[in-house]
Order: sequence, then C-alpha cells, then structure tokens
Amino acid sequence: EVQLVESGGGLIQPGGSLRLSCAVSGFTISRNYMSWVRQAPGKGLEWISILHSDGETHYAESVEGRFTISRDESTDTLSLQMNDLRAEDTAVYYCARALRGYSFILDYWGQGTLVTVSS
Amino acid sequence: DIVMTQSPLSLSVAPGEPASMSCRSSQSLVYTHGNSYVDWYLQKPGQSPQLLIYLGSYRASGVPDRFSGSGSGTDFTLKISRVEAEDVGIYYCMQALQTPVTFGRGTKVEIK
Repeated sequence: EVQLVESGGGLIQPGGSLRLSCAVSGFTISRNYMSWVRQAPGKGLEWISILHSDGETHYAESVEGRFTISRDESTDTLSLQMNDLRAEDTAVYYCARALRGYSFILDYWGQGTLVTVSS
Repeated sequence: DIVMTQSPLSLSVAPGEPASMSCRSSQSLVYTHGNSYVDWYLQKPGQSPQLLIYLGSYRASGVPDRFSGSGSGTDFTLKISRVEAEDVGIYYCMQALQTPVTFGRGTKVEIK
C-alpha cells in the first residue's frame, strides 16, 4: 500500500528555517517524480517544487532560492528545506507522488503538515 | 505562467442530478499524441486532494465512472453524471504541461 506521511511542520518566526519530511512506503522514492504542493489557510493549491527521478529539481518563483527539495533513498524520505521563511509561506504542505512515467499526475498525496510563520 | 480559470465558483446539486464544471487555460495544453495535460482533483472537506482525472479524460484508479473529463486545447469540462453525497468538496483543475504547474481556484460542490 502506498503511503506518504509528512512531518516537521510547526510555528516558526519570520526569517527562520524549517525542514519538512515526507516518509513514503509502498514504492521506491527514486523511481517516481515527487512534488511539494502547499495550501494557505482557506486558499487554493499552489505547486512549489518537484524532484525528478534523475535528480533534476524545479521550483515555483515564490520559493526559488529559499527552498530546497531533496530525497534520501536509503530511507525513502523526501525533504523540503525551507529558509528565510515569510508570513506568506504559512500553509499546509503536502508531498505528492507522480504517476510513474509522468511528471505531474499526482496520484498519491500525504495528509499534509502545517507550517505557521509568525512572530 | 499558464492561468487556469474555473467556473462556476460553486455548485449546489441535488443527489442524483448531474453536475458540470469548466476549466479554461490561458494557452493550449495539448502535447504529445493529442493528450491534454490537464488533471482534475477533488479535495473533500478536511482531506488531502485526490486525483480524479488525468490527461484530460482518463479516470484515476478507483474513481467511479460517474466522473468524466473531456475537452482539448484550452477548454475542459468535468462532469458528474449523478451526484452523490460523498462528492462534496472543492474540485481543482491543474495544468501539467509546464512548470510552474498551476491550479485553478476551484469549484465548490455542495449538496442541496
């Protein structure tokens, strides 16, 4: 059974850093494209980053240069290092798996982890 | 960036009645083999989004056949042939043609 479980969210001051994790099971993380998608409170969905099977990464302009996506193949864990956090980064962060062979057909999602950026 | 525009913002549908919603993209989403790179997701209250339709018209695994997607180019439609209570939530379309991937603002479906 495929499962994705995010962790690492919490309350952080503006300018601070946080590292989110997404532990996956039921598949090998390196064989699928993996994305992070966030949802600000009461708002819609915003894609923010993708990690390709070959290690290539892409980011939304809103997080480029501040966030870094990576994976640990030994533990099948996807991570999102978030630096220089801003109030507008407050959101529920979801990790999502893409259907094998595709970049963005997001067939499995985690339950999400809430990040609150506030002083 | 490709802009995805959904309409209507909300729908109130009686159980057993059909529902239809629209999604328009600011540029064509047709790519290889005539596939349109648009997906539909449903976010039920308090839950994560779930994939319903991919490449414009293919139902995801486990999705009931009352859901169907159609369209090509820049105009896409999601239809529910007979709405059930479990279909309430927000439906998002998403373009997967290019980064940044972009979502529509959603259509909220409620039961009358």
